[in-house]
Amino acid sequence: GNSVTQMEGPVTLSEEAFLTINCTYTATGYPSLFWYVQYPGEGLQLLLKATKADDKGSNKGFEATYRKETTSFHLEKGSVQVSDSAVYFCASRSNDYKLSFGAGTTVTVRA
Amino acid sequence: NAGVTQTPKFQVLKTGQSMTLQCAQDMNHNSMYWYRQDPGMGLRLIYYSASEGTTDKGEVPNGYNVSRLNKREFSLRLESAAPSQTSVYFCASSPEGAGTLSGNTIYFGEGSWLTVV
Repeated sequence: GNSVTQMEGPVTLSEEAFLTINCTYTATGYPSLFWYVQYPGEGLQLLLKATKADDKGSNKGFEATYRKETTSFHLEKGSVQVSDSAVYFCASRSNDYKLSFGAGTTVTVRA
Repeated sequence: NAGVTQTPKFQVLKTGQSMTLQCAQDMNHNSMYWYRQDPGMGLRLIYYSASEGTTDKGEVPNGYNVSRLNKREFSLRLESAAPSQTSVYFCASSPEGAGTLSGNTIYFGEGSWLTVV
């Protein structure tokens, strides 16, 4: 079955710093890959996704590239803001009904 | 734009009590899901319903039952709550039936915080 491993947190950064959250996956076949974000007290929102190798997902200044050779989907943002403070989840999905999540990485951005 | 709506948002139960979490989606999605979120474990699938009239077990189904009432609604029932079921519960839906299953985004509700004492 699928599984996802992501960088453990918590991560604390200053505003305008560079953010990277590592994510690797194991799967049979070629899954689609997702990053979800959860702001305090809220549900999960899709941040970006990529459905095939070499695709780059991007949204709100965040990017992640589907790397089949390294089975990775690392999340990056060049200049974070306080409003980016949240929990970030990497997830994978093959052609079944199950979305496999990583444990989540808590990111805190300080002004 | 309501999306996925779940109730209640907060609930405290005593061990052995029963309760039902309600979920409705207004996006005409075929598939619906119930997840639980626990610290350090991400989200784990409890049950899902691939289409109206069908339900299947996920990773952690023990202690729960579900009902797909119609295409819009998917409820989760705890028959005899236990402290181990203290968690945040998320309902979700996805538009299966159009395109590749794996590429479809799953949309989440805002969560239900359940404490069993």
